[in-house]
Amino acid sequence: ETGVTQSPTHLIKTRGQQVTLRCSSQSGHNTVSWYQQALGQGPQFIFQYYREEENGRGNFPPRFSGLQFPNYSSELNVNALELDDSALYLCASRTLSGSSTDTQYFGPGTRLTVL
Amino acid sequence: AQSVTQLGSHVSVSEGALVLLRCNYSSSVPPYLFWYVQYPNQGLQLLLKYTSAATLVKGINGFEAEFKKSETSFHLTKPSAHMSDAAEYFCAVSVGTGGFKTIFGAGTRLFVKA
Repeated sequence: ETGVTQSPTHLIKTRGQQVTLRCSSQSGHNTVSWYQQALGQGPQFIFQYYREEENGRGNFPPRFSGLQFPNYSSELNVNALELDDSALYLCASRTLSGSSTDTQYFGPGTRLTVL
Repeated sequence: AQSVTQLGSHVSVSEGALVLLRCNYSSSVPPYLFWYVQYPNQGLQLLLKYTSAATLVKGINGFEAEFKKSETSFHLTKPSAHMSDAAEYFCAVSVGTGGFKTIFGAGTRLFVKA
């Protein structure tokens, strides 16, 4: 158990819809990252939030957006869903100390299926 | 640009045999390297990480990895496989100020035969 929780565990949407995924970080962590893991692939970095501000982004379009709240919980929002958005979405939290070796703690993920 | 290549999408070993999962990286700066394990329907768990302190890194569950700069490799090994080691393994490199971006390999699925 890492202390990072995600909800819901599974979700089915149709193309064009919008979805919000939620993550509760481990206590004391001020940084959260979101990843997309398509079937049979490694996780792909979407973006990272530090103290409620986005401070890093991968190669994902603007319809992927996020929020981080003062209690360090966070949301991933995806608009205009496409079939290729079907994936496991992982969040990971850590305490950012300026070191690239800070350990990230991953949640169990949300499995999104777009029909 | 940084990247990670895992050689072999599937590896099968017998219980008690040596486990060797291969990872090569590309980085223009000294890398920070990680191995994660993912069990079915679960998130990622950190096995070990290379922080430049020592080239041989020991992790959890009896796994270890050796950083070889000359070969740009960070292979994961375990002397004796156990059935519970069957899972997906990911090699990753951390980049960016504060390590904000982790790049993962495509993963290697380990099968352990009885």
